[in-house]
Amino acid sequence: DVKVTQSSRYLVKRTGEKVFLECVQDMDHENMFWYRQDPGLGLRLIYFSYDVKMKEKGDIPEGYSVSREKKERFSLILESASTNQTSMYLCVVSLPGLAGSNEQFFGPGTRLTVL
Amino acid sequence: GENVEQHPSTLSVQEGDSAVIKCTYSDSASNYFPWYKQELGKGPQLIIDIRSNVGEKKDQRIAVTLNKTAKHFSLHITETQPEDSAVYFCAARDGFQKLVFGTGTRLLVSP
Repeated sequence: DVKVTQSSRYLVKRTGEKVFLECVQDMDHENMFWYRQDPGLGLRLIYFSYDVKMKEKGDIPEGYSVSREKKERFSLILESASTNQTSMYLCVVSLPGLAGSNEQFFGPGTRLTVL
Repeated sequence: GENVEQHPSTLSVQEGDSAVIKCTYSDSASNYFPWYKQELGKGPQLIIDIRSNVGEKKDQRIAVTLNKTAKHFSLHITETQPEDSAVYFCAARDGFQKLVFGTGTRLLVSP
């Protein structure tokens, strides 16, 4: 069965701390995405990656960075956490779209609170 | 880039009624349109999807229609049940394989 895991379900951090959110997949899929979900705003794309060591900015990359050193792991980094980064963070994994499956696989989410 | 708008933001229906949620998209290169249901405390779950070469798809009480010319697609739920109550998201996958989501519709089905 397909599996996307995220390192924590709930996380509480203080303003200014460096925060790492990890996403790991066991499907050998190329595409990995980080979204944040906020009430009334839906899911917004922060960063994505099509392959190892590759990264692209999404719609709201400010205040975030990412790392993809291995195919199965995509990390989201908050260099200096701020209260407006309190949110639900969702990792999504998919195959390349044309020939492969259309389906996107969601991780369980990490609810981050920054105090 | 792609922009997806979703309406309404909230929808209340009586059990047994039909519910319709509508989305529009901006990028004519988008080729895949999934719909997700999200229950409280859980991640989004895919409930139905449609590709750009198809106009309609149905799965039991759920159907999706796509009008490529007008760039809009809709979710139709018939014979609604209280367990259909959730937040529903539409999305469009653009030419770069990124999913762009609508802002969500909170559906409440009253017994």
